[in-house]
Amino acid sequence: GQLVESGGGSVKPGGSLRLSCAVSGFSFSYAWMSWVRQAPGKGLEWVGRIKSNPDGGATDYAAPVKGRFSVSRDDSKRTFYLQMDSLKTEDTALYYCATLYDGTALDFWGQGTLVTVS
Amino acid sequence: QSVLTQPPSVSAAPGQKVTISCSGSTSNIGNNHVSWYQHLPGTAPKLLIFDNNRRPSGIPDRFSGSKSGTSATLGITGLQTGDEADYYCGTWDTSLSGLVFGEGTKVTVL
Repeated sequence: GQLVESGGGSVKPGGSLRLSCAVSGFSFSYAWMSWVRQAPGKGLEWVGRIKSNPDGGATDYAAPVKGRFSVSRDDSKRTFYLQMDSLKTEDTALYYCATLYDGTALDFWGQGTLVTVS
Repeated sequence: QSVLTQPPSVSAAPGQKVTISCSGSTSNIGNNHVSWYQHLPGTAPKLLIFDNNRRPSGIPDRFSGSKSGTSATLGITGLQTGDEADYYCGTWDTSLSGLVFGEGTKVTVL
């Protein structure tokens, strides 16, 4: 499978940005999807996930982004999204999308898209 | 501060073995499967181990995983210069309702 992120860029604190993750090469409609980020000089940090629609489509978020970020999917476009609102400087990071196997393992990853909040 | 604890770094000579520990609790490792990732900053992380000890297709058997109670371990044998990277453990945390990662361990080949 292939995952390609887009939508990153530079934004001021308090601003919004929407990231997209275009998926090809596997059955997207049954895939659980997740966003993971890496801030400069830091480790990997999970952001959020969405289950497949056949599995209910529920979402979960990490505490630092809950209430500000939301994940969604458009199975017809084979695309997964991360809407980021009320951005803070600490949201500056390289954002990766990934498929989530069995709810615990991130098996396929994109190359990442950079978000800078300053 | 991560809920999963890893050593900051490990090192060994080429051909030798290293092990990386990942310590958690009953709300994460103790009741969920553990995964391990290899990451070179700026590139896509790679899944090395899932379901505690299973390797995805294409991952050599030099990489192995194990779990006991609330701890997990990644082993790398026959160390190669290409193995120099950051390694992360990860699992679901039932109390947090989210995925959690360890802080990462930098592997250096001497």
